[in-house]
Amino acid sequence: AQSVTQPDIHITVSEGASLELRCNYSYGATPYLFWYVQSPGQGLQLLLKYFSGDTLVQGIKGFEAEFKRSQSSFNLRKPSVHWSDAAEYFCAVGGAGNMLTFGGGTRLMVKP
Amino acid sequence: DAMVIQNPRYQVTQFGKPVTLSCSQTLNHNVMYWYQQKSSQAPKLLFHYYDKDFNNEADTPDNFQSRRPNTSFCFLDIRSPGLGDAAMYLCATSSLPGDVTYEQYFGPGTRLTVT
Repeated sequence: AQSVTQPDIHITVSEGASLELRCNYSYGATPYLFWYVQSPGQGLQLLLKYFSGDTLVQGIKGFEAEFKRSQSSFNLRKPSVHWSDAAEYFCAVGGAGNMLTFGGGTRLMVKP
Repeated sequence: DAMVIQNPRYQVTQFGKPVTLSCSQTLNHNVMYWYQQKSSQAPKLLFHYYDKDFNNEADTPDNFQSRRPNTSFCFLDIRSPGLGDAAMYLCATSSLPGDVTYEQYFGPGTRLTVT
């Protein structure tokens, strides 16, 4: 069965600092991987996705993620965080029949 | 813009009083999903439709039902809401299974309060 683990429940960074959110997955075949962001009281917005090819994926809002098969990881990064990035971030793996399995989420807080 | 729309955005219902949440889409996607998301938790899939084919997750309570009268609309019915059903309900869509993108498009959600 597929699963996703986000080890960090909460992360606080200073505005302008770099950010890395961790995601580890378990999936038997080639994974389809996603990062979604959810602002308070809102739905999920897709930041980026990985299906194949280049392991470094660029997304919206200046985010990127790197797929590392050997580590079963798909960590999300941003070089300089803005206050508007404060939100909940979900990593997900896509499986058969378009079913998504979400990680537990990481809540990002940004200090001024 | 093509999108997923959920109405209402906020719904208050009384304990035991049936409630219906609505989702519509202009993406012309074949698959529609309903998720339940409780506070500070990941979304949990309740069920999905592939066209008119209804697929229930094994642990979805019988209290939750769904209808899809046409491609564009899907409804979530909670027959007798309990306090534990208070949550954000997210609707999502995707194109045909087998599409390699596997991408789901989410609506803004309906926050349900049970009093």
